[in-house]
Amino acid sequence: GAGVSQSPRYKVAKRGQDVALRCDPISGHVSLFWYQQALGQGPEFLTYFQNEAQLDKSGLPSDRFFAERPEGSVSTLKIQRTQQEDSAVYLCASSLEGLYGDEQFFGPGTRLTVL
Amino acid sequence: AQSVTQLGSHVSVSEGALVLLRCNYSSSVPPYLFWYVQYPNQGLQLLLKYTTGATLVKGINGFEAEFKKSETSFHLTKPSAHMSDAAEYFCAVRGSGGYNKLIFGAGTRLAVHP
Repeated sequence: GAGVSQSPRYKVAKRGQDVALRCDPISGHVSLFWYQQALGQGPEFLTYFQNEAQLDKSGLPSDRFFAERPEGSVSTLKIQRTQQEDSAVYLCASSLEGLYGDEQFFGPGTRLTVL
Repeated sequence: AQSVTQLGSHVSVSEGALVLLRCNYSSSVPPYLFWYVQYPNQGLQLLLKYTTGATLVKGINGFEAEFKKSETSFHLTKPSAHMSDAAEYFCAVRGSGGYNKLIFGAGTRLAVHP
């Protein structure tokens, strides 16, 4: 497809369950970002990849959050032992280079609800 | 550190009226500024951006924004609102570091009524 895709679009998890969220960036885009958007808030940066290298994970809220992009394309955000405060929309974005000013193209997000 | 403040979480205008969405920023580096729009159940779409050069920036769908360094502002305007403009709007500034991490404001929901 032409845009960034994410799956699943909706995920309901019981507290303590592990979840995996997938992002398919635009083909050829070097940079990939994950953001967390809580209800009524703006997106907050989680982590950044340049190709397969995770260059910044300063926004990951705890060690229960883990992201990977092993082949420099598809990325997975994993949350272990989910908590209610993890409920949010998780957005993935990709850009051609990731340089200052580059447009980030966003996927539709995965809405995670933890019961 | 970088931060963004959007004044007014909800703005309501009549169709055909001026749209003004306010954004103020704080940045320790020369700011690159962005406005994104988010329609329900969709990802964010870039409306316009300021990097360097002309301070009045024109974007898609008739929107424009003016970078005012002295006021640390980047307000979004559109002369005449259309019903299809109803959405959530986010202002963002680039974060520090050598790549384009974005720091977003809390957003402004725009309602357009007939």
